[in-house]
Amino acid sequence: EVQLLESGGGLVQPGGSLRLSCAASGFTFSTYGMGWVRQAPGKGLEWVSALNRGGETTYYADSVKGRFTISRDNSQNKLFLQMNSLRAEDTATYYCAKEGGHSLPFDHWGQGTLVTVSS
Amino acid sequence: EIVLTQSPATLSLSPGERATLSCRASQSVSNYLAWYQHKPGQAPRLLISNASNRATGIPGRFSGSGSRTDFTLTISSLEPEDSAVYYCQQRSSSWTFGQGTKVEI
Repeated sequence: EVQLLESGGGLVQPGGSLRLSCAASGFTFSTYGMGWVRQAPGKGLEWVSALNRGGETTYYADSVKGRFTISRDNSQNKLFLQMNSLRAEDTATYYCAKEGGHSLPFDHWGQGTLVTVSS
Repeated sequence: EIVLTQSPATLSLSPGERATLSCRASQSVSNYLAWYQHKPGQAPRLLISNASNRATGIPGRFSGSGSRTDFTLTISSLEPEDSAVYYCQQRSSSWTFGQGTKVEI
C-alpha cells in the first residue's frame, strides 16, 4: 500500500524558513516523479513544485520560484521542500503527491501538513 | 500558463441525480486532463486520468470525457458520499488546477 507521510509544518514568522519532509513507502520511490501541492484556507488546490525521479529536473510555480527548493533522497525514500522567505500568502496545507508515471497525474497523496506564516 | 476554468462553482443536487461538471482549458491540453475529488480533512483522490480513464478503485458512476480544451466529469447517479469539491488538473504544460466545483447533495 502506497503511503506518503508529511512532516515539518508549523508556525513561522514572515521572512522565516521551514523544511517539509515526506516519507514514502509501499512503492519503488526512485522510479516516480513527485510533487508538492498546497491549499490555502478556504481556497482551492495550487500546484507548488515537482521533480523527476532522479531529482535532476525541478519545476516551480511562479509564486514560489526563487524561494522554495524541492529535492529528494532516493536512498531514504524521502521528498523535501525547503521554504525560505516565507510570506503570509504561503499559509496553507501542503500535500506531498506521487506521479502515476511520466506526464501522468498525481495518483497518491499524503494527508498534508499545515504551514502558518504569521507574526 | 494554461488556465483551467471550471463550471459551475457549486452544484446542488439530490441522491440519484446526474451531475455534469465542466472544465475548459485556455489552450489545448490534448488529453492530459485529470479529475480529483477532495473532501475536507482528507487527501485529494484521483478519479480520472487522461481525460477518460478511471483510476483504480473508482466506482463506475464516475466518467470523464473531452479533449483539447473542453472536458466533462459526469457522476451518473449521485450517492451521499459524493459530496465534495472536484478539481480538474492539466499535465500538458507544467501543472495547473481549476478552481474547483463544489457538489452538494
